[in-house]
Amino acid sequence: GAVVSQHPSRVICKSGTSVKIECRSLDFQATTMFWYRQFPKKSLMLMATSNEGSKATYEQGVEKDKFLINHASLTLSTLTVTSAHPEDSSFYICSANSPASTGKNIQYFGAGTRLSVL
Amino acid sequence: QKEVEQDPGPLSVPEGAIVSLNCTYSNSAFQYFMWYRQYSRKGPELLMYTYSSGNKEDGRFTAQVDKSSKYISLFIRDSQPSDSATYLCALDTGRRALTFGSGTRLQVQP
Repeated sequence: GAVVSQHPSRVICKSGTSVKIECRSLDFQATTMFWYRQFPKKSLMLMATSNEGSKATYEQGVEKDKFLINHASLTLSTLTVTSAHPEDSSFYICSANSPASTGKNIQYFGAGTRLSVL
Repeated sequence: QKEVEQDPGPLSVPEGAIVSLNCTYSNSAFQYFMWYRQYSRKGPELLMYTYSSGNKEDGRFTAQVDKSSKYISLFIRDSQPSDSATYLCALDTGRRALTFGSGTRLQVQP
């Protein structure tokens, strides 16, 4: 299967600081990447769809000024949590479609980033 | 009503047992059906992908889809302790964003 790398795996930051999370497709080009948020023992909630070369599409209720998404290349999307607060603490996961799965929306996931805001 | 319902478990079974995991859904627009496995503090890993009613088998795993009943299942034969994880169903209408079930935690006791 396709490989998606996410970095960092764990970050602890002070309230008010910004945190950047990177998502890379290692062996394929991804025109679309997805960002999810997951609370403990809960399912994945889609935050936004990241499109290479254009603005991200955010799900209802997700603050676009709070969660900045940049998809500057076909292999890299970044999520920046701006002015992070304790309620932003969560597990953030990215995914991407592999072109090999043409016609199928098979998403390959990164290992996730656990954000803790103190 | 949630679009996708999945029993959260936990489901505890002895090693070697057959495990049945299920999801029901309400939106008939869902066309593609997936099962992911997620170990603690890791990203989900794709196990099975189907798009038609019926059964699909891959090793110890069988995915079953019944579109008329809006019901999907994942069966695990000869379950192993290494199968202990959370299993998520994921459904797709074709608009590319997946809708996940809440996940079922499975524990296989040695």
